[in-house]
Amino acid sequence: SAVISQKPSRDICQRGTSLTIQCQVDSQVTMMFWYRQQPGQSLTLIATANQGSEATYESGFVIDKFPISRPNLTFSTLTVSNMSPEDSSIYLCSARTRDNEQYFGPGTRLTVT
Amino acid sequence: DQQVKQNSPSLSVQEGRISILNCDYTNSMFDYFLWYKKYPAEGPTFLISISSIKDKNEDGRFTVFLNKSAKHLSLHIVPSQPGDSAVYFCAARTTYNFNKFYFGSGTKLNVKP
Repeated sequence: SAVISQKPSRDICQRGTSLTIQCQVDSQVTMMFWYRQQPGQSLTLIATANQGSEATYESGFVIDKFPISRPNLTFSTLTVSNMSPEDSSIYLCSARTRDNEQYFGPGTRLTVT
Repeated sequence: DQQVKQNSPSLSVQEGRISILNCDYTNSMFDYFLWYKKYPAEGPTFLISISSIKDKNEDGRFTVFLNKSAKHLSLHIVPSQPGDSAVYFCAARTTYNFNKFYFGSGTKLNVKP
């Protein structure tokens, strides 16, 4: 299994600023992902965080807006850049273990004013 | 375009009775389906899955049924317990993009004592 922690758990940010969300897994995992859940909607995959290389972004998401780092097998960050109220969402980190189970962090609730 | 849909945002069931949560999908390339349970302030946790080569998978009180011709799956919880009260998400993925899960918008289950 894997236990995933995220920091911060929530934040209220001003328009135009950036926020970096940290994700830590308690064991080595093969893959790490970032999801977004906008109010009243489903979870949507933003990108796959690749260790030591650029993340792989899904359609509709770009590196300039959501830069991602994954310096090692257990840690990743997601930055939400130049925020607008439309970025208000829950951002979830996810990880897949060697036995192909996928786990999710508790999420970071972001409100942009 | 949402490829996985949960049309019931909420469901209320008496303790001891059966809970049936439904999920529909549109992409015929989906071949693996999962149900996740989410408590407030926690990340989604894996509950049960089913491959498209099966039409039923059982794990204790939880059974998932898959009807490929109707592009429909359902989660049955028998008997329902108050601790089952949570938001339930169905998710699906394809073999050609193993990393990307498509999630429904969730159904909030309330099991009344």
